[in-house]
Amino acid sequence: GAGVSQSPSNKVTEKGKDVELRCDPISGHTALYWYRQSLGQGLEFLIYFQGNSAPDKSGLPSDRFSAERTGGSVSTLTIQRTQQEDSAVYLCASSYRGNTEAFFGQGTRLTVV
Amino acid sequence: AQSVTQLGSHVSVSEGALVLLRCNYSSSVPPYLFWYVQYPNQGLQLLLKYTTGATLVKGINGFEAEFKKSETSFHLTKPSAHMSDAAEYFCAVSEWGAQKLVFGQGTRLTINP
Repeated sequence: GAGVSQSPSNKVTEKGKDVELRCDPISGHTALYWYRQSLGQGLEFLIYFQGNSAPDKSGLPSDRFSAERTGGSVSTLTIQRTQQEDSAVYLCASSYRGNTEAFFGQGTRLTVV
Repeated sequence: AQSVTQLGSHVSVSEGALVLLRCNYSSSVPPYLFWYVQYPNQGLQLLLKYTTGATLVKGINGFEAEFKKSETSFHLTKPSAHMSDAAEYFCAVSEWGAQKLVFGQGTRLTINP
């Protein structure tokens, strides 16, 4: 596609439920990143994919968070047993190679009630 | 560890006035430096970046930034503010070989008519 696409754009879920957030990167981009944007913490790195492997997952806040990428393209971020502190905007970005311009999607706003 | 400090969470200028958004970073190696802009309910858009070479970098929408190694700064400027510049601006750093961006806390720019 023309840009990074994220779905859903908004998600409201009950505490304790699992959620899946999807990211479609720009075609041909080998690098994919997930970030979280929240009022108290600003923009935080979560995980980086190069192809289907994740050489840096140092930002995942707990074992409730996981992510995968298949076919070197689509990525899914899964949050299990959601908590209220998980409420944030989750941003996905992709780039042709690391350290060059990263293109961001519009984000998924997650609200845990 | 890398860190980015943006001085001033809110900056307000008059239309036509100079815009100056401050960014200081810490990095143990020469960094790559970026400025991103975020409009309400949208993702991040790259304004400009410094990787190597000329230390004065020109970006989109009339913005520019100067990398000053001795001051570990990368301040963003625009000679004449326009109403459409109202947004949140993020400074970010990455180290060569490290794929993730480390962001500052952001500066919200307001333009007064």
